[in-house]
Amino acid sequence: SQTIHQWPATLVQPVGSPLSLECTVEGTSNPNLYWYRQAAGRGLQLLFYSVGIGQISSEVPQNLSASRPQDRQFILSSKKLLLSDSGFYLCAWSQDGQRGYTFGSGTRLTVV
Amino acid sequence: AQTVTQSQPEMSVQEAETVTLSCTYDTSESDYYLFWYKQPPSRQMILVIRQEAYKQQNATENRFSVNFQKAAKSFSLKISDSQLGDAAMYFCACAGAQKLVFGQGTRLTINP
Repeated sequence: SQTIHQWPATLVQPVGSPLSLECTVEGTSNPNLYWYRQAAGRGLQLLFYSVGIGQISSEVPQNLSASRPQDRQFILSSKKLLLSDSGFYLCAWSQDGQRGYTFGSGTRLTVV
Repeated sequence: AQTVTQSQPEMSVQEAETVTLSCTYDTSESDYYLFWYKQPPSRQMILVIRQEAYKQQNATENRFSVNFQKAAKSFSLKISDSQLGDAAMYFCACAGAQKLVFGQGTRLTINP
């Protein structure tokens, strides 16, 4: 069966520090991978998605970047965090981008 | 591109009663899927129900059913026999062209 792992679960980082959140999927190959951010009490905003290794689509220009160094690995990064980067970050995967999406357990990021 | 609108930020219902959550969407895709996700306080995203746009028959999953009106681009969720465990944020979402776009969510409270 397929599983998705996302870590860390909680992160507190100072303003100006770098960020690296990792997401991996097991039990499938060539998945579509997604990063979402959720502000408190709000909906999920799509940040980046990838349909293959090295292929990254950015939905919202911002202080973040994404990379896909391996087929089932998706990384969200920042060189210098801003206070506005605080939020709940969710990774997700889909086999075809339509029929079904499975989400990781999320990372709660607080920038102080 | 897709947009999803949930016009009810909050809803409440008495335990064992029926409640309907509203959702409208817009998409330029001819082939798309619609979803309702539940997010409890743990913030895990849980798939409630899925509807293929090419199917006229409304999807049903136990106490959960949808009213899919394709021409009106409406996709409401009906929860029958509401239970305390149904209390959560509910998100409507539309998947097309490789990505899943969410509405802003409806917070559902169940009154005992």
